[in-house]
Amino acid sequence: AQSVTQPDIHITVSEGASLELRCNYSYGATPYLFWYVQSPGQGLQLLLKYFSGDTLVQGIKGFEAEFKRSQSSFNLRKPSVHWSDAAEYFCAVVLYNQGGKLIFGQGTELSVKP
Amino acid sequence: GAVVSQHPSRVICKSGTSVKIECRSLDFQATTMFWYRQFPKKSLMLMATSNEGSKATYEQGVEKDKFLINHASLTLSTLTVTSAHPEDSSFYICSASNGFSYNEQFFGPGTRLTVL
Repeated sequence: AQSVTQPDIHITVSEGASLELRCNYSYGATPYLFWYVQSPGQGLQLLLKYFSGDTLVQGIKGFEAEFKRSQSSFNLRKPSVHWSDAAEYFCAVVLYNQGGKLIFGQGTELSVKP
Repeated sequence: GAVVSQHPSRVICKSGTSVKIECRSLDFQATTMFWYRQFPKKSLMLMATSNEGSKATYEQGVEKDKFLINHASLTLSTLTVTSAHPEDSSFYICSASNGFSYNEQFFGPGTRLTVL
């Protein structure tokens, strides 16, 4: 069955430190992967996406993610976290053979300490 | 481009009443729209998928008679929560896809429903 797993429910990092949020997927075909960010009470904002090609994708706000097929992973990284990055982060895979349904991970809440 | 709006952003209603939430794609034609429900500190749960001019496809466990979805045009889908009860209180988010770009979905800002 298709699934997305974000092993870390909550992560706290210091401002200026580097960040890596983990995402593992289970999908039988080539995955199309997304990372979204959600601030409290808001909708989802797309950070970046991977469809094909270069496995290191750049997104907005200085985020990047690397697709590793051998590890079924799509981890999100940022070299230097800002206080405004505190939010909920969701990894997702699109089931393009099921009408484009998205399967979301459980989410990782990021806290940033001064 | 690819902007999706929702209205209202917040609604409070009495138990037993019905509430309608609108989802609009402002600058593209949405062949498919999705409705999600999100509980506090939880991920998004897909409720249903709707294609313009067709009946919505509901996910297992979602009551189609309680959550009525209409996708009458390529830019508008509505979710009506009928006979709302306090347990229906939640954050409802819609998304829209134009069928291109690997079915990428564009999300609305969400609607906070509180049933008293």
